[in-house]
Amino acid sequence: EIVMTQSPATLSVSPGERATLSCRASQSVGSYLAWYQQKPGQSPRLLIYGASTRATGFPARFTGSGSGTEFTLTISSLQSEDFAVYYCQQYNNWPLTFGGGTKVEIK
Amino acid sequence: QLVESGGGLVQPGGSLRLSCAASGFTVSANAMNWVRQAPGKGLEWVSVIYGGANTYYADSVKGRFTISRDNSKNTLYLQMNSLRVEDTAVYYCARAPANWFDSWGQGTLVTVSS
Repeated sequence: EIVMTQSPATLSVSPGERATLSCRASQSVGSYLAWYQQKPGQSPRLLIYGASTRATGFPARFTGSGSGTEFTLTISSLQSEDFAVYYCQQYNNWPLTFGGGTKVEIK
Repeated sequence: QLVESGGGLVQPGGSLRLSCAASGFTVSANAMNWVRQAPGKGLEWVSVIYGGANTYYADSVKGRFTISRDNSKNTLYLQMNSLRVEDTAVYYCARAPANWFDSWGQGTLVTVSS
């Protein structure tokens, strides 16, 4: 099983600042990496797939990058609606596995 | 749109069947999954059924859970037997066009407790 490790667990950021979230895979997953956003009391929402392709409805301030074992989600200028938990997920191998999540909170 | 139902409180060793009614697309033409989230925890993939009806399970539920679908009702199911306390979670159904999840239901809470 591929273990996905996200860091940091919590990221405190002021509105308008840049946020950088990391996701590391225990073995290469190529570009088969997705990111999800989950707000309190809501279902997860697909944000990025193929490591860097933004899903419908998300603005350009969200950028996914990386390949192999190291991936990054960057939010260039945090807006109030971006404070949430973000999960990465690999889909290169079975079973599909998620990272433990990074909570982005208001500083 | 995906709408789950069937969650509730069940004793350890008991059974429960979850349903997920789909609208706007055909369940049998898509890879449909169950993903769960224990209270305050992260996401865990549980099971998938492909268009061709192949099924796969996480090791943690293999032999206890069964995924299926009813094409006439455009509905996905998860039969859960021999439930354990650690199965307590919100269960989401999700469509996965290429093993990433692009559409999620609102979730249904399963609580396993005596």
